Amino acid sequence: DAGVIQSPRHEVTEMGQEVTLRCKPISGHDYLFWYRQTMMRGLELLIYFNNNVPIDDSGMPEDRFSAKMPNASFSTLKIQPSEPRDSAVYFCASSRPPRGKRDQPQHFGDGTRLSIL
Amino acid sequence: AQTVTQSQPEMSVQEAETVTLSCTYDTSESDYYLFWYKQPPSRQMILVIRQEAYKQQNATENRFSVNFQKAAKSFSLKISDSQLGDAAMYFCAYRSGWDSGSARQLTFGSGTQLTVLP
Repeated sequence: DAGVIQSPRHEVTEMGQEVTLRCKPISGHDYLFWYRQTMMRGLELLIYFNNNVPIDDSGMPEDRFSAKMPNASFSTLKIQPSEPRDSAVYFCASSRPPRGKRDQPQHFGDGTRLSIL
Repeated sequence: AQTVTQSQPEMSVQEAETVTLSCTYDTSESDYYLFWYKQPPSRQMILVIRQEAYKQQNATENRFSVNFQKAAKSFSLKISDSQLGDAAMYFCAYRSGWDSGSARQLTFGSGTQLTVLP
């Protein structure tokens, strides 16, 4: 089975530019999560979707960030305009719905390392 | 809100020896799940082991085992017969139970960097 696929793996761009990160979850996974990892704040959730619907976006830092999931196999995280403080590794993860009490673990992509100059 | 604390920023262990990484958490929920993830320099997030709070038996996965103390809200990871490939950042994580109506996301600790010495 293919895992969670993220692209690009690395992105370097100048501040003020629009950045789009992409994620393809594992087929059959109804939950999709976007996390950000920085040295200062560690790993933190930005937003998550269930059946393509955003459920909790309280972690999205500000209006410059937006995320969409137009279908079950694709999601994007967009930053416009980008700023140097947005530099981080962005992870996408997906998981199945629960089966009774049995938890379904989250599977992570390899992340996108974003550098804003 | 739930919090996860890893008080050891760095640990080291001699190859073939045993090491224990500490994790404590704070929650008012009774139904939840706990995880240890490994992040090697390649930056992949790899699930090492998980524990359901309703289970009293400690989870084990080959050389990895946990000591889950629910009353103390402690969830330590023991790595036996350490190997060079175990060197990585280890994150403890918490997730609410599916019946709690709470968030589905993982809450992570700050991580412990494990070095394995040859």
